[in-house]
Amino acid sequence: DQQVKQNSPSLSVQEGRISILNCDYTNSMFDYFLWYKKYPAEGPTFLISISSIKDKNEDGRFTVFLNKSAKHLSLHIVPSQPGDSAVYFCAASRSGGSNYKLTFGKGTLLTVNP
Amino acid sequence: GAVVSQHPSRVICKSGTSVKIECRSLDFQATTMFWYRQFPKQSLMLMATSNEGSKATYEQGVEKDKFLINHASLTLSTLTVTSAHPEDSSFYICSARDGTKVGNEQFFGPGTRLTVL
Repeated sequence: DQQVKQNSPSLSVQEGRISILNCDYTNSMFDYFLWYKKYPAEGPTFLISISSIKDKNEDGRFTVFLNKSAKHLSLHIVPSQPGDSAVYFCAASRSGGSNYKLTFGKGTLLTVNP
Repeated sequence: GAVVSQHPSRVICKSGTSVKIECRSLDFQATTMFWYRQFPKQSLMLMATSNEGSKATYEQGVEKDKFLINHASLTLSTLTVTSAHPEDSSFYICSARDGTKVGNEQFFGPGTRLTVL
């Protein structure tokens, strides 16, 4: 049972345009969401997070939107740059609790073309 | 800030031997560390969660006697793959959570590529 889904395995955009990466979740207990970027043979790099008390969080070129009623979140990258080409993982968790586990989606490969 | 290192970055060993991987938080105290495994073109699979000074909590299907985890200090966790077999070949990644922070962000190490011959 996949609780975090990234239905698009890949996305290709032109440099300078907007990249929109989507993520859906099924567990209503999740209340903290994160996006990570990963290059091959490296560990994931934390990008941005959002708590369920917000519907938007922005950090530079990266904005995460959360729609709790739809159990959907998205990561917007504007403007996209070739260096953004990587696999992006969405992750969800329950705040508090005893172990702070993250549940990851399968990732979306973003390719930004010059 | 929030730097996590892993050592070694890659290791090749013979079947039946044991391999130890170290994970260190360099600039923060990691009350909780996590060990993941990633197969090619797949997502990160959580293997276990370890809290400093206590026994690790293993995910379902992960053999605790095969994957020994020790979290002896607030900056160091180790994963030992015992009696390694070729099917244990994988990319192992650790992460750490800063216990002084409120959010659930985990910061990841660069990973260790294990190849068992």
